[in-house]
Amino acid sequence: GEDVEQSLFLSVREGDSSVINCTYTDSSSTYLYWYKQEPGAGLQLLTYIFSNMDMKQDQRLTVLLNKKDKHLSLRIADTQTGDSAIYFCAERPGGSYIPTFGRGTSLIVHP
Amino acid sequence: EAGVAQSPRYKIIEKRQSVAFWCNPISGHATLYWYQQILGQGPKLLIQFQNNGVVDDSQLPKDRFSAERLKGVDSTLKIQPAKLEDSAVYLCASSLGTAQETQYFGPGTRLLVL
Repeated sequence: GEDVEQSLFLSVREGDSSVINCTYTDSSSTYLYWYKQEPGAGLQLLTYIFSNMDMKQDQRLTVLLNKKDKHLSLRIADTQTGDSAIYFCAERPGGSYIPTFGRGTSLIVHP
Repeated sequence: EAGVAQSPRYKIIEKRQSVAFWCNPISGHATLYWYQQILGQGPKLLIQFQNNGVVDDSQLPKDRFSAERLKGVDSTLKIQPAKLEDSAVYLCASSLGTAQETQYFGPGTRLLVL
């Protein structure tokens, strides 16, 4: 199976919160990342969390890490139409500098 | 600060033809990466350079793909000959050093092989 798994689509109403979930397999992962990719653009690093943290908050973004279950989530508060994009979860295994990406979750924000 | 630059942005070729992509990383970034992103998938690393040396090219299909970073700055990725399954977005990224957690991505080159 895939090393990093995400659901493919999420649809939310503007102003609601979005929660994008991700599971990974490598328990030695040191960093876990969330990237955003808008149409026709490269990947933009949104936030990352060290594996020894449970939560990280950055303005409208909240990352939760459950290391026991190898589960990572990204919560976007007050979701706006400009948040519509593909969100990639990635893990950086211990001993490697290269992240392994999931297939991405397409977030669709509707009025 | 200028970001990672890539050209061309789009390329359409026929199978068995050759194609080359160019990347200019962020100034001062020692590490440069080439990724292949097939439609509906996440990026997969093809090759990683540290200055002008190759750190990891284990996922590069060396029978048809080649890459170089001769002066430790710009890099080119070449495919010769191209196959239909090479249709993808080729992303270049750079980081300050290998231990740096942040990779900065360029906009990518979209390749369509007919």
